[in-house]
Amino acid sequence: GIQVEQSPPDLILQEGANSTLRCNFSDSVNNLQWFHQNPWGQLINLFYIPSGTKQNGRLSATTVATERYSLLYISSSQTTDSGVYFCAVASSGGYQKVTFGTGTKLQVIP
Amino acid sequence: DAMVIQNPRYQVTQFGKPVTLSCSQTLNHNVMYWYQQKSSQAPKLLFHYYDKDFNNEADTPDNFQSRRPNTSFCFLDIRSPGLGDAAMYLCATSRDGSSGGAAKNIQYFGAGTRLSVL
Repeated sequence: GIQVEQSPPDLILQEGANSTLRCNFSDSVNNLQWFHQNPWGQLINLFYIPSGTKQNGRLSATTVATERYSLLYISSSQTTDSGVYFCAVASSGGYQKVTFGTGTKLQVIP
Repeated sequence: DAMVIQNPRYQVTQFGKPVTLSCSQTLNHNVMYWYQQKSSQAPKLLFHYYDKDFNNEADTPDNFQSRRPNTSFCFLDIRSPGLGDAAMYLCATSRDGSSGGAAKNIQYFGAGTRLSVL
């Protein structure tokens, strides 16, 4: 099956700093989502981005499908950004089972 | 707001005592998923329903069963919980991509049920 690796595994930021999270996948995909799992465990959709670039406030994401990676940018980080960020990908058609990446645990300190 | 709701948020059960977790959705999605997530790990798919069709992952233990009585509800039954089944259980829904539309294939998650086994 498809392999999904995320880097870095852990990240500590000072509040206000910017960061880039990376997701590498081993095969072509037609579904890629970024999620934020908050400290209470809920997975929150950030982006559905199988290709191209999207922005939502302080967050933006870029997927370069031909090179099999996606990047999540967090600008002006806040303590509420803390948690685990997952990318999840799928490569089959129709309804799709996704494969989750290994996750990046982010801690933003005041 | 349309959403995915899981009850209860926290569940404590005893070793070997059957437990049922529930999930409901107002999104009218035809696909529903159950994931197990252990500490510091990624969610792991247990099974999913495509409409009423049940699809079990090959490595899901027989101890885990599921029911989907209608489009809106899906249940996870753990017949004889062991200590190793303590985890967060996440329910998700999606709309079949073949039906078209911009929102296809996006998975929406509930808040999860954290299960403790004593």
